[in-house]
Amino acid sequence: AQSVAQPEDQVNVAEGNPLTVKCTYSVSGNPYLFWYVQYPNRGLQFLLKYITGDNLVKGSYGFEAEFNKSQTSFHLKKPSALVSDSALYFCAVSSHNAGNNRKLIWGLGTSLAVNP
Amino acid sequence: NAGVTQTPKFQVLKTGQSMTLQCAQDMNHEYMSWYRQDPGMGLRLIHYSVGAGITDQGEVPNGYNVSRSTTEDFPLRLLSAAPSQTSVYFCASSYSRTSGGRSTDTQYFGPGTRLTVL
Repeated sequence: AQSVAQPEDQVNVAEGNPLTVKCTYSVSGNPYLFWYVQYPNRGLQFLLKYITGDNLVKGSYGFEAEFNKSQTSFHLKKPSALVSDSALYFCAVSSHNAGNNRKLIWGLGTSLAVNP
Repeated sequence: NAGVTQTPKFQVLKTGQSMTLQCAQDMNHEYMSWYRQDPGMGLRLIHYSVGAGITDQGEVPNGYNVSRSTTEDFPLRLLSAAPSQTSVYFCASSYSRTSGGRSTDTQYFGPGTRLTVL
C-alpha cells in the first residue's frame, strides 16, 4: 500500500537553529514528493517538490528537502529557523492511480514551533 | 489572479439542512478537488474533477455531491448536514499534467470554509 509518514506530531526549535521536519514514504516505482505549509487559519501553500533530477530540492522561504531513495525519505530542512516559520507542514506523495485520478497521499502533518 | 477562492469562510448549520460551498479558480486549471481537514486525520479527499463535466469520488464522498459545469467553478453540496461533517473544507486546483500516470503538478488551495453542524 502507498503511504506517507510524518513521525513527529510536533517539532520545537529555537530561532536561528537549523530545523528538520521528517517524512518517509512507501510507494511503488519512482516517487513524486511534495511539501506544503499551512499557516494558522489559512489554506495550504506549496513549498517544494521532487519529481526527478538533483536529490536536493530548494523551495520557497529558504526551505530545502533531500530525497533519499535508499532510506525512502524526503526530510524538509532549513539552516536557520525563524519565528514566522511556525506552522503546520504536510508531506505528500503522488500516487499511482488508474484513470483520471491525480490524487496525492498526504501525511498527517507536523506542527513546527520556533521559539524566540 | 485571485487564485482559488472559497465562500463562505464560516458557516453554522443545523442537522438536516443543506448548503453549497462555493469554489472558483481563475488559473484555467483542469483539475479541481475538495478536501476536508480534521484534527489528527490530515487531509482527506472528498471529490475531484479533471475537467468540465467530469467528476469522481475520493476517499470520503458520502453525504456530498459535486458538479463541474465550467472550468472555473466546482461547488460542493451537502445534501443533509450531519454533525460528522463538522470540519474545515478546502478546495484545490492544479494543472493536470502527469508522468507515468502520476500528478507532477503543484496544487493551489483556497483559504478554506469552517463548517459547524449542530
